Amino acid sequence: NAGVTQTPKFQVLKTGQSMTLQCAQDMNHEYMSWYRQDPGMGLRLIHYSVGAGITDQGEVPNGYNVSRSTTEDFPLRLLSAAPSQTSVYFCASSKGGSAGELFFGEGSRLTVL
Amino acid sequence: DQQVKQNSPSLSVQEGRISILNCDYTNSMFDYFLWYKKYPAEGPTFLISISSIKDKNEDGRFTVFLNKSAKHLSLHIVPSQPGDSAVYFCAALDSGTYKYIFGTGTRLKVLA
Repeated sequence: NAGVTQTPKFQVLKTGQSMTLQCAQDMNHEYMSWYRQDPGMGLRLIHYSVGAGITDQGEVPNGYNVSRSTTEDFPLRLLSAAPSQTSVYFCASSKGGSAGELFFGEGSRLTVL
Repeated sequence: DQQVKQNSPSLSVQEGRISILNCDYTNSMFDYFLWYKKYPAEGPTFLISISSIKDKNEDGRFTVFLNKSAKHLSLHIVPSQPGDSAVYFCAALDSGTYKYIFGTGTRLKVLA
């Protein structure tokens, strides 16, 4: 089972460049979310979605855009990358509808120079 | 404002002894709590959870305790094993907003 798949695993960008981190899940989960992990800061919620067509902001949404056109995919867009966005990004999903565990992808390490 | 706090960045425990990891939260709307384990270069993996209507949940060597009045939860690992060495995150969910909020993590080292 693939579970939650994130691509790319590694990316280096220059300041001002744009890119999209891809996230796909094959578990028919309604809920999907993006986190970033930084030293000493834990996992911070960027954006989340409770279903196709619905997105909402998390704790640190500035500088990131998301959309949810299908149940399976939840891409995270950086429109103009900044060095402060250097981080490890994790996508997670859960069944939704009631409280349950989040399933995480393996992460995408992004460096902005 | 950190809604979920893990005040101990690191913890070392001897193999076979008990590991106790602590977590505090401030939002009284949180009604579901989870613990995750994370190895380097991997995504976090789910360990155990507890609903706010319970005060204890066990799964093998792992037990989670919830004290709602103190807004405090803890994870007990007994007996601790070297393979338990990892970073542990607690997380809290407000089912009304569907936001899962994570703590800053505690690095556990189990010494053989």
